[in-house]
Amino acid sequence: GDSVTQMEGPVTLSEEAFLTINCTYTATGYPSLFWYVQYPGEGLQLLLKATKADDKGSNKGFEATYRKETTSFHLEKGSVQVSDSAVYFCALSELTGGGNKLTFGTGTQLKVEL
Amino acid sequence: DAGVIQSPRHEVTEMGQEVTLRCKPISGHNSLFWYRQTMMRGLELLIYFNNNVPIDDSGMPEDRFSAKMPNASFSTLKIQPSEPRDSAVYFCASSLTWASNEQFFGPGTRLTVL
Repeated sequence: GDSVTQMEGPVTLSEEAFLTINCTYTATGYPSLFWYVQYPGEGLQLLLKATKADDKGSNKGFEATYRKETTSFHLEKGSVQVSDSAVYFCALSELTGGGNKLTFGTGTQLKVEL
Repeated sequence: DAGVIQSPRHEVTEMGQEVTLRCKPISGHNSLFWYRQTMMRGLELLIYFNNNVPIDDSGMPEDRFSAKMPNASFSTLKIQPSEPRDSAVYFCASSLTWASNEQFFGPGTRLTVL
């Protein structure tokens, strides 16, 4: 079945540092890939997505590129801020006869300090 | 526009009691999903509906859990009887159609069973 593996946290960075959170996936077909973010006490919000190979999703300074050859979708940001502290989830979805279901990774907590 | 609405936001109950969680999806969305989030198991899909019809309930942990969607604007997740191991954050999410790959999450209900 489909699965998503992402690096364990917590990841602790100083403000303005470069961020990479690794994500790899296993899927039978051609999934869409997502990064969701969860701020403390809130639900998940879609951060960015990519629907086919070599697509780059971007939002709020975050980027991720759909790499089919390495089955990866790593999240990057050039300069993190304290306000980026949250839990980040990598996810995939595949369209089946029953619709689109999201498969999530376990989440990576990011802590950004001054 | 209003997002996905969940109630209550917090619920504390005693073991053996019935618990009902409520969700109002985004107006016009035809698919609805119930998830459970715990530290140990991460984010799990419990059940999802398309056009008010349950499509896949394979994630429902046991017979104590049941979910209904009597109309397009309301769904419930019921636990009867509740147990301490049911303590978790329960999220509802909706998407525009069964083929949509983007889901919109509610703020969650934090359930504590004593």
